[in-house]
Amino acid sequence: GENVEQHPSTLSVQEGDSAVIKCTYSDSASNYFPWYKQELGKRPQLIIDIRSNVGEKKDQRIAVTLNKTAKHFSLHITETQPEDSAVYFCAAVREGNNRLAFGKGNQVVVIP
Amino acid sequence: TAGITQAPTSQILAAGRSMTLRCTQDMRHNAMYWYRQDLGLGLRLIHYSNTAGTTGKGEVPDGYSVSRANTDDFPLTLASAVPSQTSVYFCASKGQNTEAFFGQGTRLTVV
Repeated sequence: GENVEQHPSTLSVQEGDSAVIKCTYSDSASNYFPWYKQELGKRPQLIIDIRSNVGEKKDQRIAVTLNKTAKHFSLHITETQPEDSAVYFCAAVREGNNRLAFGKGNQVVVIP
Repeated sequence: TAGITQAPTSQILAAGRSMTLRCTQDMRHNAMYWYRQDLGLGLRLIHYSNTAGTTGKGEVPDGYSVSRANTDDFPLTLASAVPSQTSVYFCASKGQNTEAFFGQGTRLTVV
């Protein structure tokens, strides 16, 4: 299955600063890359995703960039707010295969 | 709209006993998944099913079994629970070209 690694495991940022989380994957045939956010005690929920035919996607303060050559993709959160504090999970999926395996997650802490 | 639901929400189980965690979705998603979540280890895939009638092993399948008799249901069975299976279990479903949706989770404590 797809091997996905996330770095850093924990990231602390001052409110208003930007946060960047990077994921690397091993399967070059992966073509779908979702990011999930999990708040304490809740279920993971999709915040943004990208497919392999684009290099960047943005949704308000959140963006994802994909580098297929290097096999990594990153989540960018700008103007961080306390409600951005959560664990973020990435995955690399080969559509049709449907085996959805996640990285270990990144704990993001936004300091007010 | 129900989406995807798990039962029970939480359970305390004696070691050696068996238990089935239930998962049901009404979105007609072909793919379904079971994960366990432990502190520092993220979401680890236990078993998955690409479509009704088929199942596959994930990263940590030992001690667990699944079945997929129909599209909607994907139960996870612990035949003889051990304390190391204490965890939070999440079920998820995914359609073709859709995001994956997670259930609310089942907190299982094996004593």
